[in-house]
Amino acid sequence: GAVVSQHPSRVICKSGTSVKIECRSLDFQATTMFWYRQFPKQSLMLMATSNEGSKATYEQGVEKDKFLINHASLTLSTLTVTSAHPEDSSFYICSARKQGVLGNSPLHFGNGTRLTVT
Amino acid sequence: AQSVTQLDSHVSVSEGTPVLLRCNYSSSYSPSLFWYVQHPNKGLQLLLKYTSAATLVKGINGFEAEFKKSETSFHLTKPSAHMSDAAEYFCVVSSTSGTYKYIFGTGTRLKVLA
Repeated sequence: GAVVSQHPSRVICKSGTSVKIECRSLDFQATTMFWYRQFPKQSLMLMATSNEGSKATYEQGVEKDKFLINHASLTLSTLTVTSAHPEDSSFYICSARKQGVLGNSPLHFGNGTRLTVT
Repeated sequence: AQSVTQLDSHVSVSEGTPVLLRCNYSSSYSPSLFWYVQHPNKGLQLLLKYTSAATLVKGINGFEAEFKKSETSFHLTKPSAHMSDAAEYFCVVSSTSGTYKYIFGTGTRLKVLA
């Protein structure tokens, strides 16, 4: 159990367009989901914490108007990269924690989305 | 505040020899610690977790880690490396309040030589 599905796995878009990435918890409900960005050969950088039914909490330095996060249900969170630029090219990974478990319980990660902006 | 330091950015071992990936943490409170593995262009898979129970934690694929409070360490070990173990490994400490955010180490790339 505890499968997180992230879609698409790869996307190429033109500069100036918007891209939506979906993160779904397939067999559990997730009150909280996290979005990360990973640069090549680097660690994961937390972008924002997504809470079902409320506004996302963004980390310092992350533009909320550029990276729109919506957590409309207990099984789905979306990240939309608006007006994408080549510097937004990166690997984006979501994670989710089961609803109702202890706060220090493990997160379950999606397989990531490779975004390339041309 | 919590932090985690992975002491080696790259580790190379021969197949069949032991693996040691080092991690030190800093935490004001009793921490929750995790090791995750990431294969290229993939998400992260949980190897094992420490959440204040037994100090020696056994995980999947033969990995284990020992929580040593006196040394503030949580090193990952495996008795015998396999080629399929080649990947990036992340040590993670969880914040102790709020949304329990993960704080990642910088990662250790494990290379297994035939």
